[in-house]
Amino acid sequence: DQQVKQNSPSLSVQEGRISILNCDYTNSMFDYFLWYKKYPAEGPTFLISISSIKDKNEDGRFTVFLNKSAKHLSLHIVPSQPGDSAVYFCAASARGAQKLVFGQGTRLTINP
Amino acid sequence: ETGVTQSPTHLIKTRGQQVTLRCSSQSGHNTVSWYQQALGQGPQFIFQYYREEENGRGNFPPRFSGLQFPNYSSELNVNALELDDSALYLCASSFWQETQYFGPGTRLLVL
Repeated sequence: DQQVKQNSPSLSVQEGRISILNCDYTNSMFDYFLWYKKYPAEGPTFLISISSIKDKNEDGRFTVFLNKSAKHLSLHIVPSQPGDSAVYFCAASARGAQKLVFGQGTRLTINP
Repeated sequence: ETGVTQSPTHLIKTRGQQVTLRCSSQSGHNTVSWYQQALGQGPQFIFQYYREEENGRGNFPPRFSGLQFPNYSSELNVNALELDDSALYLCASSFWQETQYFGPGTRLLVL
């Protein structure tokens, strides 16, 4: 039972344009959402998070949007840079729960 | 500030053997969580340790066990290794239930 889904295994974007990565979830108990970036041979690096009491959180070039009614979140990266090429994971947790539930990841490639 | 470290980086074992993986948490963190990441998948939660006690467990059999020490470092032990245990094992530390920060992982290959 995949409670967090990233339906696009890969995404290719031109440098300088906007990258939009999507994530859907099914468990209505989830109330905290995170995005991690992963380079090969490294562990996931925390990027940005959002609580269910908000619908948007911004940090520099990264913005996360949360649509609770649709159980959907997205990560916007603008402008995209070559160093953004990596695998991006969304993750979710429920209040009082210890674990993060991850999606399968989306490989983002930024083309010069 | 030292980040999360894990050892070893790579490991090769044979089926039926036992393995111990180690994790040092980030300075100021008191909680350690372990995840298994199979190829092409997202990390799957194994268990979490807080104050040297297991504080939540995912859908993994009892042959996966762990420890947390007074300095908040942790070990993951896997007994009776199976071929399907081949994966990247990730340790994450946090201050209680705040944001989890991951180490570089240990890649385990079971032959």
